[in-house]
Amino acid sequence: DSGVTQTPKHLITATGQRVTLRCSPRSGDLSVYWYQQSLDQGLQFLIQYYNGEERAKGNILERFSAQQFPDLHSELNLSSLELGDSALYFCASSVGPESSYEQYFGPGTRLTVT
Amino acid sequence: GQNIDQPTEMTATEGAIVQINCTYQTSGFNGLFWYQQHAGEAPTFLSYNVLDGLEEKGRFSSFLSRSKGYSYLLLKELQMKDSASYLCAVRVRGNDYKLSFGAGTTVTVRA
Repeated sequence: DSGVTQTPKHLITATGQRVTLRCSPRSGDLSVYWYQQSLDQGLQFLIQYYNGEERAKGNILERFSAQQFPDLHSELNLSSLELGDSALYFCASSVGPESSYEQYFGPGTRLTVT
Repeated sequence: GQNIDQPTEMTATEGAIVQINCTYQTSGFNGLFWYQQHAGEAPTFLSYNVLDGLEEKGRFSSFLSRSKGYSYLLLKELQMKDSASYLCAVRVRGNDYKLSFGAGTTVTVRA
């Protein structure tokens, strides 16, 4: 158990819908990272927040957005969902703002878009 | 982006040694990570190299050569539980620090 929690564990929804994935980092960690993992794309970095502020951006689509709240939990919002958005979405946390700090991954949310 | 290449699959026998190679082409290299991921589970951190040389951690060792854009992960005394995907990830320094992952190497350990 990494100490990072993600909800829900599984999510099935239809194309065109909007969903919110939630992540709580390990106690004491200020950085939260979001990743998408699909069979054909591998693990892709989406976005990072550090202490409430956006820190780094990766291959995140405009239909996706994220935020980190004052209690440090983070939410990833996915809208206008397409079949290709079906994937495992991982959240990771680390102590500091740089990704050289060891990242601890949550169990992931499996999103299925039908 | 970064080109990160690693073999797709490797098979080895319990008790043996396996070496997983990773090559990368990137500017602003600032460290290389190895992660282990069992099927359907989250990746777990194995090692971090930023300087050339070998880092040893129990049965696992990781090597880096920055001039060659090359790293390897060495798994010794293989156990059945080592069957997993091993992900090589490169950190680059640009405006921000980002991690880019390779596609992963699936290692199957056979009795």
